[in-house]
Amino acid sequence: NAGVTQTPKFRVLKTGQSMTLLCAQDMNHEYMYWYRQDPGMGLRLIHYSVGEGTTAKGEVPDGYNVSRLKKQNFLLGLESAAPSQTSVYFCASSPSVDTLAEDTQYFGPGTRLTVL
Amino acid sequence: GQSLEQPSEVTAVEGAIVQINCTYQTSGFYGLSWYQQHDGGAPTFLSYNGLDGLEETGRFSSFLSRSDSYGYLLLQELQMKDSASYFCAVRTNYGQNFVFGPGTRLSVLP
Repeated sequence: NAGVTQTPKFRVLKTGQSMTLLCAQDMNHEYMYWYRQDPGMGLRLIHYSVGEGTTAKGEVPDGYNVSRLKKQNFLLGLESAAPSQTSVYFCASSPSVDTLAEDTQYFGPGTRLTVL
Repeated sequence: GQSLEQPSEVTAVEGAIVQINCTYQTSGFYGLSWYQQHDGGAPTFLSYNGLDGLEETGRFSSFLSRSDSYGYLLLQELQMKDSASYFCAVRTNYGQNFVFGPGTRLSVLP
């Protein structure tokens, strides 16, 4: 099992350009998440999905869009990149949780994005 | 708003025990998790508390007191490889909305 993979690993954009980050998981998890992490800081949730075809806003959704057309994939789009979006982006997934017994998220290796 | 507080840095020597505290103020609470992140790496799950009390997983233990909005991660028999950043995270609703703390950088000295 590859777990959670992210494409690309690195990217440099110019202000105003667009791009899509791809996240894929092979663990048949229901839930998927996109986070950003700025230097020396914790992770901030951008968007998340509780199942195929559903998405929801997290803490910092402005400037980003997401889609979950297939259960195993979660795409993060930047329509018009800004320097403030320079960050490391992490995707994560977790299995469906019916109780409070477990809350594990499995993270991908991250994408380092620089917007000039 | 939602906020989690952690000490920014902790230093300890090999073989020692260290406790990393986390206090939270969130709109809802559905569990407290702990993650480890080495420099340049991805966060990895360490421990979870959904109910009050102590959870033990090998050298790591985690505690939660919901009435005090407080939890901690306890690392025993510290090893050099434990040098990393540690994050607490709260699930704020049943819809999987998570808030992470700013992280505590642990340095283990020989």
